[in-house]
Amino acid sequence: EPEVTQTPSHQVTQMGQEVILRCVPISNHLYFYWYRQILGQKVEFLVSFYNNEISEKSEIFDDQFSVERPDGSNFTLKIRSTKLEDSAMYFCASTRVGQPQHFGDGTRLSIL
Amino acid sequence: SQQGEEDPQALSIQEGENATMNCSYKTSINNLQWYRQNSGRGLVHLILIRSNEREKHSGRLRVTLDTSKKSSSLLITASRAADTASYFCATDASTGGFKTIFGAGTRLFVKA
Repeated sequence: EPEVTQTPSHQVTQMGQEVILRCVPISNHLYFYWYRQILGQKVEFLVSFYNNEISEKSEIFDDQFSVERPDGSNFTLKIRSTKLEDSAMYFCASTRVGQPQHFGDGTRLSIL
Repeated sequence: SQQGEEDPQALSIQEGENATMNCSYKTSINNLQWYRQNSGRGLVHLILIRSNEREKHSGRLRVTLDTSKKSSSLLITASRAADTASYFCATDASTGGFKTIFGAGTRLFVKA
């Protein structure tokens, strides 16, 4: 069964540095999402992406965040200048309309 | 703002017993989904129930939806130790965008 894959599985970055998290959605899916889960807390919606543009974004998704689908297969989340509070698991998901979302196993981001 | 909230926050039962988790939300929805998350892993979709459905079954899972009360329940029958995980409800708003809001989750522990 096709899967959503995320790389890297663990990213350690110094505060203030830029980080790019990568996702390869399922190939025939058209809707893409990023979520964040701080340790022990709930999954928080960050952004959804459809037709090469952002569909919805949350209050968390401020100017430090951006998403891109550079080559038709990868879907990336960039954090421009990381803060300690950005430490979390970041999950990518993809779907087709009316179908459940398929999640990757996440990237654990640790900001030092 | 739309929010899914589960109760109980944690549930500990013996193998073979049934587990019931509840979810409430605040705004109109297109559908409601239940996901499972094993510790440190991504979310796995369990079941999706549309706003015009009242009950849905999948194996040992039974989900109900009451849109008048803005609530849903997930019943796991004949629980197994392998069912130990966190369970989240998630709602897709009927606002035209693509924004999925997760609840805080129920941590289920099934004792062998």
